[in-house]
Amino acid sequence: AQSVTQLDSHVSVSEGTPVLLRCNYSSSYSPSLFWYVQHPNKGLQLLLKYTSAATLVKGINGFEAEFKKSETSFHLTKPSAHMSDAAEYFCVVRGVGSSYKLIFGSGTRLLVRP
Amino acid sequence: GAGVSQSPRYKVTKRGQDVALRCDPISGHVSLYWYRQALGQGPEFLTYFNYEAQQDKSGLPNDRFSAERPEGSISTLTIQRTEQRDSAMYRCASSLEEGAAQAFFGQGTRLTVV
Repeated sequence: AQSVTQLDSHVSVSEGTPVLLRCNYSSSYSPSLFWYVQHPNKGLQLLLKYTSAATLVKGINGFEAEFKKSETSFHLTKPSAHMSDAAEYFCVVRGVGSSYKLIFGSGTRLLVRP
Repeated sequence: GAGVSQSPRYKVTKRGQDVALRCDPISGHVSLYWYRQALGQGPEFLTYFNYEAQQDKSGLPNDRFSAERPEGSISTLTIQRTEQRDSAMYRCASSLEEGAAQAFFGQGTRLTVV
């Protein structure tokens, strides 16, 4: 069975400092992994995706993530946080077989201090 | 339409009543998914359609929950005899084709059962 574990429920950073949101995955197969962001009262938006191409994936708004098979990790980073980055972030693995359902982690709420 | 549209945005219903939640996917999108998100948690898969065919309903919690997509476009998620534990955000997503890397999410329907 596939799953993802987000290691922090809340992360607080100062504006202009780096962001690190941690995610570990479990998968019997080569996984497809995603990060989604959810701003208040808005739908979920795809930040970036890994589908077995380059292990360093660049997404929107300056975010990137690195797939590390040896560590079963897919951490999300950004060099410099902006106030507008404050939101909830979900690490996601896609199911295999006949269903392409997305399996979400429990989420990490990012707070950005001025 | 321009995005995935869900209605109503908010629904308050009395315990024991039936509710129908509607999802209008992006025009031309083949796959449609329903998820449920409890407060403080990530979305959980409910069911999935390709065109009008329900491909996977393994996430529906019990037989009070059902979904249809009769013409391969708009979908309805129906909950019969609602219970307080059904209170959650119900999210719909669509993707251009089966297995597409990106799913587009609607803003969700917040269901409250009192």
